[in-house]
Amino acid sequence: GEDVEQSLFLSVREGDSSVINCTYTDSSSTYLYWYKQEPGAGLQLLTYIFSNMDMKQDQRLTVLLNKKDKHLSLRIADTQTGDSAIYFCAESSMSSSNTGKLIFGQGTTLQVKP
Amino acid sequence: DGGITQSPKYLFRKEGQNVTLSCEQNLNHDAMYWYRQDPGQGLRLIYYSQIVNDFQKGDIAEGYSVSREKKESFPLTVTSAQKNPTAFYLCASSIEGTSVFGKNIQYFGAGTRLSVL
Repeated sequence: GEDVEQSLFLSVREGDSSVINCTYTDSSSTYLYWYKQEPGAGLQLLTYIFSNMDMKQDQRLTVLLNKKDKHLSLRIADTQTGDSAIYFCAESSMSSSNTGKLIFGQGTTLQVKP
Repeated sequence: DGGITQSPKYLFRKEGQNVTLSCEQNLNHDAMYWYRQDPGQGLRLIYYSQIVNDFQKGDIAEGYSVSREKKESFPLTVTSAQKNPTAFYLCASSIEGTSVFGKNIQYFGAGTRLSVL
């Protein structure tokens, strides 16, 4: 079945770049999303990428997609303490287009040390 | 100010009690969703509704019930049949529940934390 996997934890120093990785299994994935969750809060959409793109950049965020390997990454440049949060990867696909269902990864906790 | 409002922020349930979590949106979105979040497990879909007066079970619907009588409201009831209800519950909405190309951006409320007394 459809599955999205992420590593659970990443620790970086303030000012460094962070790279959060995600793998997925659904070969019919059409859109992939990155959400951010701060403690005790809901999920905030950061960015998304269409599956026929291999890169998308938005200010400090760079998304890379390797469709052949089904690998997605989120790079945060110049990471700040305010970036400390849980980051979720999610995907939607043609196979779920009649339900609108998103498949979420387990989330990666990013810890930014001053 | 458009958005999704969940209430209450914190809720306590006694054994054998049903409790209802509120979710209201003023984004004029057709589709609404309920997720359960447990530590280290990501989000699991409980129920979803693509249109008023219609809803479907998600992956973990047992012990939960919903209604969708109005476009802007999608309340979730956690029944006494749900034996392990302690979790963080998130409501989301999207413009439409189906898409020819599979795109479905979901917007989330701030969540309700449910605990058992």
